[in-house]
Amino acid sequence: RKEVEQDPGPFNVPEGATVAFNCTYSNSASQSFFWYRQDCRKEPKLLMSVYSSGNEDGRFTAQLNRASQYISLLIRDSKLSDSATYLCVVNERGGGSYIPTFGRGTSLIVHP
Amino acid sequence: DTGVSQDPRHKITKRGQNVTFRCDPISEHNRLYWYRQTLGQGPEFLTYFQNEAQLEKSRLLSDRFSAERPKGSFSTLEIQRTEQGDSAMYLCASSSIVAVLRNEQFFGPGTRLTVL
Repeated sequence: RKEVEQDPGPFNVPEGATVAFNCTYSNSASQSFFWYRQDCRKEPKLLMSVYSSGNEDGRFTAQLNRASQYISLLIRDSKLSDSATYLCVVNERGGGSYIPTFGRGTSLIVHP
Repeated sequence: DTGVSQDPRHKITKRGQNVTFRCDPISEHNRLYWYRQTLGQGPEFLTYFQNEAQLEKSRLLSDRFSAERPKGSFSTLEIQRTEQGDSAMYLCASSSIVAVLRNEQFFGPGTRLTVL
């Protein structure tokens, strides 16, 4: 079983829609959580961290549910420019270090 | 352009050959990470350095893979006796002490390896 799981999609939504992605993780000792965005043929870039109390950055809201071991990303009022792959990242304890473990990503396509 | 550079951007090699990739991180960043990414998958962690110390290497895919960062600046990733299954994008990322707290890694454009 993969340590970090995401639905690969694609999620195909019209402009202005609200869309939500979930990501589940298997290691209950995971310490920190993040969402990265990766455009086609580009490198990943940090979108936002995920805090225990939930956090918002403009149209983006991230939430963490430690009991059920999942994190979520909500995008409101989708824009064409939001089309990308959204990668869930979990810092897992491995040996003496925290290892960033990426999910496979969820593809979002926003159409006019 | 994040400021992290990788060289070469593309490498085509024959099975059994050795290849070496270079990564130049953002100059003030003391952490440097290597990942492998295949089509339809997220980046897979391989190893990371803090300055010149390699702090985690248990995830290197086999003993054919090795990485160095001799002076705490640029890093190299070497794959010996390449196999077709090594074909992938190899990504490098760096972060500063402050950025680590946010887990903000800055990725380079990657080196795409094709093993024939």
